[in-house]
Amino acid sequence: GAVVSQHPSRVICKSGTSVKIECRSLDFQATTMFWYRQFPKKSLMLMATSNEGSKATYEQGVEKDKFLINHASLTLSTLTVTSAHPEDSSFYICIGVGEQETQYFGPGTRLLVL
Amino acid sequence: GQQVMQIPQYQHVQEGEDFTTYCNSSTTLSNIQWYKQRPGGHPVFLIQLVKSGEVKKQKRLTFQFGEAKKNSSLHITATQTTDVGTYFCAGLIQGAQKLVFGQGTRLTINP
Repeated sequence: GAVVSQHPSRVICKSGTSVKIECRSLDFQATTMFWYRQFPKKSLMLMATSNEGSKATYEQGVEKDKFLINHASLTLSTLTVTSAHPEDSSFYICIGVGEQETQYFGPGTRLLVL
Repeated sequence: GQQVMQIPQYQHVQEGEDFTTYCNSSTTLSNIQWYKQRPGGHPVFLIQLVKSGEVKKQKRLTFQFGEAKKNSSLHITATQTTDVGTYFCAGLIQGAQKLVFGQGTRLTINP
């Protein structure tokens, strides 16, 4: 079946640094990728919708200058958390949309900002 | 905004009892998906329902999609300790093409 990989799986960084998370669709082309954030014991909250070759659409309350999304190809989308702070510590998940709108989850990235 | 409400938030049962979680959307859904997340893990896809009134079964799990495509349920018959986890529904909002998650139902089981 279709697979989405996400890298890194875990990252610990100092406050003020930037972290890039990569999401790749390994055996299908994902024209759309969703980026979600999940705080402990909470649900997944949509941050932005990324479409290949165009600017991402951000949900209300998500700072586009802080969470930079790039979807340069049909198999790669990246999320960069700029100037990360402890409150950005979370579980970030990408979902690639394949044929017939089927969604494929990445395994997620645990970010801890010290 | 578009919302998918899921209840209950928590459910504790004795092993062998049944369990049901419900999702309701404020808008019509193109499809609804169900996921299970174990502590420390990521959501794992269980099933997708697309058709109005659709019912699907996976062993002890029964999934239903409402006639209006605005609500869904997951029913587990005779729970086992391996069923422990948080169950999320996620609805694909018709027209908006956004996948919106319910708040999740955390299931704990007394062996």
